[in-house]
Amino acid sequence: KQEVTQIPAALSVPEGENLVLNCSFTDSAIYNLQWFRQDPGKGLTSLLLIQSSQREQTSGRLNASLDKSSGRSTLYIAASQPGDSATYLCAVRVDTGRRALTFGSGTRLQVQP
Amino acid sequence: ETGVTQTPRHLVMGMTNKKSLKCEQHLGHNAMYWYKQSAKKPLELMFVYSLEERVENNSVPSRFSPECPNSSHLFLHLHTLQPEDSALYLCASSQDLGSITDTQYFGPGTRLTVL
Repeated sequence: KQEVTQIPAALSVPEGENLVLNCSFTDSAIYNLQWFRQDPGKGLTSLLLIQSSQREQTSGRLNASLDKSSGRSTLYIAASQPGDSATYLCAVRVDTGRRALTFGSGTRLQVQP
Repeated sequence: ETGVTQTPRHLVMGMTNKKSLKCEQHLGHNAMYWYKQSAKKPLELMFVYSLEERVENNSVPSRFSPECPNSSHLFLHLHTLQPEDSALYLCASSQDLGSITDTQYFGPGTRLTVL
């Protein structure tokens, strides 16, 4: 059974810092990995999707990497801003008959002005 | 702004009530999903529909009954729920379940409280 773990569970940083969020998964046979953002009381917004054959994806100040063999992904946020405050969720799509997403518990990020 | 809408946004119900959650996607997608998000637990997949056919039922109790009348609408019918069913219920849709780059788009969720 695929399990996804995110560390740390919560993170508070001053504005302007670069930061790294970590995600690990137990079964390396995945279709893809996605990073989502969830604001309080709202649904999820997809940030980046990395296919199993890719090593990284970039969007603006965000960069996500994937090391499939070691079961790890990182989300790098450059020059953090208060508007980045949210919960960040990592999810993997498994490479078996079950194709929907398995989520981690998330990292709650607070960027202080 | 999300192309997936959910109603109601908040619902309080007693254990003997029957209610339904509604989800509508305006994106022309072929797959729709129900997830449950409980406090301090990861999102849990409940059901997956592809082209209006249920393709996955993740061991969900029968007091939750999904319905997908067409590719744009998804319902979750609720009856004789228990207090531990209180959670945020999220609906999502995606273009093509079989594509490696398939991305899910989520609605804002329905906050359910069972008294």
